[in-house]
Amino acid sequence: AQSVAQPEDQVNVAEGNPLTVKCTYSVSGNPYLFWYVQYPNRGLQFLLKYITGDNLVKGSYGFEAEFNKSQTSFHLKKPSALVSDSALYFCAVRDMYSGGGADGLTFGKGTHLIIQP
Amino acid sequence: DAMVIQNPRYQVTQFGKPVTLSCSQTLNHNVMYWYQQKSSQAPKLLFHYYDKDFNNEADTPDNFQSRRPNTSFCFLDIRSPGLGDAAMYLCATSRGRLLGETQYFGPGTRLLVL
Repeated sequence: AQSVAQPEDQVNVAEGNPLTVKCTYSVSGNPYLFWYVQYPNRGLQFLLKYITGDNLVKGSYGFEAEFNKSQTSFHLKKPSALVSDSALYFCAVRDMYSGGGADGLTFGKGTHLIIQP
Repeated sequence: DAMVIQNPRYQVTQFGKPVTLSCSQTLNHNVMYWYQQKSSQAPKLLFHYYDKDFNNEADTPDNFQSRRPNTSFCFLDIRSPGLGDAAMYLCATSRGRLLGETQYFGPGTRLLVL
């Protein structure tokens, strides 16, 4: 079965500093990896995804993520954090061997990102 | 703008009283999903429609049903809500079922069961 781990419940970063939100995954086949952001009482907004190709993926709002197959990681990064980046971030995965759940996304438990002014 | 719309944004119901949540989309996507997100937890897939083909997750309770009368609309019916069904319900769509397809989410409906 596929799974996603986000090891940090909360990440605190000062405004203007680089940020990293960690994600590791476990799949049977090739992973398809996604990052979403959720603001309070809102739905999930798509940030970026990795399917194949370059390991560094660029997405919305200046975010990027690096796929590392050997470490089974897909960490979300941004060079300079903004206060408005404060939100809940979810990493998600799909793979072709996930059986009955093949059509849904398997999410990590989420990481609260807090950007301090 | 093309989007996924959910109504209502907040729904209060009584224990055991049937409730229906609505989702519509202007993206003309073939696939529509329903996820349940309980407080401080990750979203969990309940079921999805690929066109008119309904696909239920193995662990989705029978209390949860869904209807998709046309491409644009999908409904989530909870036949007899219990206190444990209080959650945010998220509707999502994707163009197809390919693994790399992006799923686009609506704003969610927060359900409170009294």
